[in-house]
Amino acid sequence: AQTVTQSQPEMSVQEAETVTLSCTYDTSESDYYLFWYKQPPSRQMILVIRQEAYKQQNATENRFSVNFQKAAKSFSLKISDSQLGDAAMYFCAYTYTGTASKLTFGTGTRLQVTL
Amino acid sequence: GAVVSQHPSWVICKSGTSVKIECRSLDFQATTMFWYRQFPKQSLMLMATSNEGSKATYEQGVEKDKFLINHASLTLSTLTVTSAHPEDSSFYICSAQGAGTFNQPQHFGDGTRLSIL
Repeated sequence: AQTVTQSQPEMSVQEAETVTLSCTYDTSESDYYLFWYKQPPSRQMILVIRQEAYKQQNATENRFSVNFQKAAKSFSLKISDSQLGDAAMYFCAYTYTGTASKLTFGTGTRLQVTL
Repeated sequence: GAVVSQHPSWVICKSGTSVKIECRSLDFQATTMFWYRQFPKQSLMLMATSNEGSKATYEQGVEKDKFLINHASLTLSTLTVTSAHPEDSSFYICSAQGAGTFNQPQHFGDGTRLSIL
């Protein structure tokens, strides 16, 4: 079974600084997708960034980028120039083609942004 | 684009009643919808996957007679919690995925907070 592990229950970053959230996963599949979702206090799940496993290039979305290490099964999220609005729970998630898009989520990392 | 509306956002009801939660894709057709449950300070746990016009596929440990899922159209799926009890109190979230596009991400609703007294 696939598992997703987020080893940092909480992280804190100062405004305008950079923070990296860790995620590792376990799978025997070669064709899969990885995601980072953000869940602010409003509880809505917001897609932050997505990575296809077959792509070697790391995905980037404005201030958000990932470090995808396929061999190490690692998928970390880097947030640059952190803003107060980045404060939220961040979930790493995995899916592969054989599961009809079912997402497996990690346990989440709560990110605090301080002034 | 890709807006998913979930209703109601919060419901409180007495033990023994049934509660229906609606999930609508407002600006796209969703052949697949997913229902999740989230306990406080925990991650999302998939309950079931529903495909338009067919029976839902439930995850192991989820009672299909307790959590009735209907996906009658490409824009609407409903989750009915039957004879709800306090242990069913939780945050329920739906998501929807566009037709014929596996590699498209799931779009989530705002969730429903269910409190059973």
